[in-house]
Amino acid sequence: AQRVTQPEKLLSVFKGAPVELKCNYSYSGSPELFWYVQYSRQRLQLLLRHISRESIKGFTADLNKGETSFHLKKPFAQEEDSAMYYCALSEDAGGTSYGKLTFGQGTILTVHP
Amino acid sequence: DAGVTQSPTHLIKTRGQQVTLRCSPKSGHDTVSWYQQALGQGPQFIFQYYEEEERQRGNFPDRFSGHQFPNYSSELNVNALLLGDSALYLCASSLGTGYQPQHFGDGTRLSIL
Repeated sequence: AQRVTQPEKLLSVFKGAPVELKCNYSYSGSPELFWYVQYSRQRLQLLLRHISRESIKGFTADLNKGETSFHLKKPFAQEEDSAMYYCALSEDAGGTSYGKLTFGQGTILTVHP
Repeated sequence: DAGVTQSPTHLIKTRGQQVTLRCSPKSGHDTVSWYQQALGQGPQFIFQYYEEEERQRGNFPDRFSGHQFPNYSSELNVNALLLGDSALYLCASSLGTGYQPQHFGDGTRLSIL
């Protein structure tokens, strides 16, 4: 069965410091991985996905298949980055679309001024 | 575009009752997925509907059932409610082709007394 683990429930950094949110997964197939973010009083929204290889709001994430990890990184944290972050894995639903998302438990990131 | 809309926002029921939650997908989306999020946990996949059929199902009992209508909107029904069904129920929509990511609604907070 697929599983996503986010080992840190809480993470605190100071503004301008680098930040890394850890995510490890177990999946027998070829995974598609995502980071979702939930800012205060907002809905869950997609931050970035592995397949796009893009940088959103200064965040990047590299899929390491050897270590089965998909850590989220940002070189200089900002106060507005404070939020709940979820790592999620999706399996293929039949060749054309994503199926179920398996989420980690989430990491609350707090960036102090 | 309001994105994914869910109703109601809050609901209080008692044990043994039945409940129906509703979801309208984002404009242009044809696939709807439902998730249960218990307090302090990541969302857990219940099922996904595409072309009015259940395409995938998570590890939830038959008390949880759903439906998708021709206009792509969806309902989640839960029978014989248990205290443990208290949670935030999230709906997510996506386009059924092209590996498009899921977009989430604000959720329905269900409390069982």
